[in-house]
Amino acid sequence: EAQVTQNPRYLITVTGKKLTVTCSQNMNHEYMSWYRQDPGLGLRQIYYSMNVEVTDKGDVPEGYKVSRKEKRNFPLILESPSPNQTSLYFCASSFKGQGAYEQFFGPGTRLTVL
Amino acid sequence: SQQGEEDPQALSIQEGENATMNCSYKTSINNLQWYRQNSGRGLVHLILIRSNEREKHSGRLRVTLDTSKKSSSLLITASRAADTASYFCATDAGRGSTLGRLYFGRGTQLTVWP
Repeated sequence: EAQVTQNPRYLITVTGKKLTVTCSQNMNHEYMSWYRQDPGLGLRQIYYSMNVEVTDKGDVPEGYKVSRKEKRNFPLILESPSPNQTSLYFCASSFKGQGAYEQFFGPGTRLTVL
Repeated sequence: SQQGEEDPQALSIQEGENATMNCSYKTSINNLQWYRQNSGRGLVHLILIRSNEREKHSGRLRVTLDTSKKSSSLLITASRAADTASYFCATDAGRGSTLGRLYFGRGTQLTVWP
């Protein structure tokens, strides 16, 4: 089954404790992206990747890191989480090219930073 | 920014009625997509309309695009309680934009009462 998976689905942590949220897709998509969703603010893009070893900042990259060592995986790293990073996080993937492609979303990771 | 804006923010209707949501955006686009999100879950792609198309249908969904007004509408006919969800429009950023990158609005929360 074609899908985007994220782990963990729920995470409660404390300020400053490094964490990683994993994202994996099995559709051979080149493009992968991380979003955060906060009430009243919609989806805001954190980082995206056009292919292996190619990443770029989205609209709200501060406090986050990503890596793209393999095509299928795109982990999101919070080196020193803070309470303002409490949010619902989504990973998404799609093909890229001159055509228009739908994005496939993971189920989300609800993160609480105390 | 290129972010689309949905209108209204919230819509409440009875089963069987039609629901219309609007999206406005700021710059030229190659395509516009509509997504649906059930509470707290990942977004699911509904329909894509290209900039050279004016109308598109998919089941009970009808999407229109007016590039001169930089706006789109999503019509759900004969709505059902199961249509209760948030609906988002997403656009690319037109010619020269990063391939695959989408910009999402804040969404319209649709509630359909039985």
